[in-house]
Amino acid sequence: QKEVEQDPGPLSVPEGAIVSLNCTYSNSAFQYFMWYRQYSRKGPELLMYTYSSGNKEDGRFTAQVDKSSKYISLFIRDSQPSDSATYLCAMSDHNFGKGTSLLVTP
Amino acid sequence: SQTIHQWPATLVQPVGSPLSLECTVEGTSNPNLYWYRQAAGRGLQLLFYSVGIGQISSEVPQNLSASRPQDRQFILSSKKLLLSDSGFYLCAYKLGTENSPLHFGNGTRLTVT
Repeated sequence: QKEVEQDPGPLSVPEGAIVSLNCTYSNSAFQYFMWYRQYSRKGPELLMYTYSSGNKEDGRFTAQVDKSSKYISLFIRDSQPSDSATYLCAMSDHNFGKGTSLLVTP
Repeated sequence: SQTIHQWPATLVQPVGSPLSLECTVEGTSNPNLYWYRQAAGRGLQLLFYSVGIGQISSEVPQNLSASRPQDRQFILSSKKLLLSDSGFYLCAYKLGTENSPLHFGNGTRLTVT
C-alpha cells in the first residue's frame, strides 16, 4: 500500500462550483499536511499548511484533516478558471500524492 | 522575502552528455535544499537534500549527483545522461524546522535524446 493516495482525475467543473480534492494516507505518524498548486510547466506553489485535525480556511480555500480516518481534503469555493491546475497533497518531504488535475470551465 | 531561482528552464541533451542544473536561494541563510524529479504519473521523487555546505544526502541510487558549494547554491549533475534521466527537475528550499513546508523553484524540463 502506498503511503499517500490521490485520485489523478482529471476533474472538470463549471465556474462557480465547489471543488473537493482528497488524499488518503496510511502512516499515522504523519503530523503535518500540505496542499500545493502546480500550473503547467511551473513548480508547485504552497497553498495550505496544517498541523492538526480540523479545518483551516484561507480565502476561497479550506483544508480539512481527519487523522482518525487518515484523510485530508481541500475545498475550493466559487471556483474560477484560474484555479485550473494540478493539486498535490504532501505529508512530508518524501511523501507526496501524484496530484489531481482540475479544470474549471467558464 | 525569499526567492528561489532555477535554470535553465528547458534543456535538451543527447545520451551520454554531462548535465549541470543550478539552483540558488536569495533572502535567507542556511536553508535546507532539495532536488526532486517529477515524472508524468509518478509524482514527486526526492533525489537529494542538503542541510548545509558540503552535506548531501542521497535518497535514490542513480546516475545523478548533487553538490552544495555555497550556502544558497545547489547543483545537480551527471557525468553521462541516460534516456531515463528525462523529466522535470525541481529545486526546493525549507526554512526553520523539519516540519516546515517546502518552497519550489519553477523547474527544469530535461529531455535526453
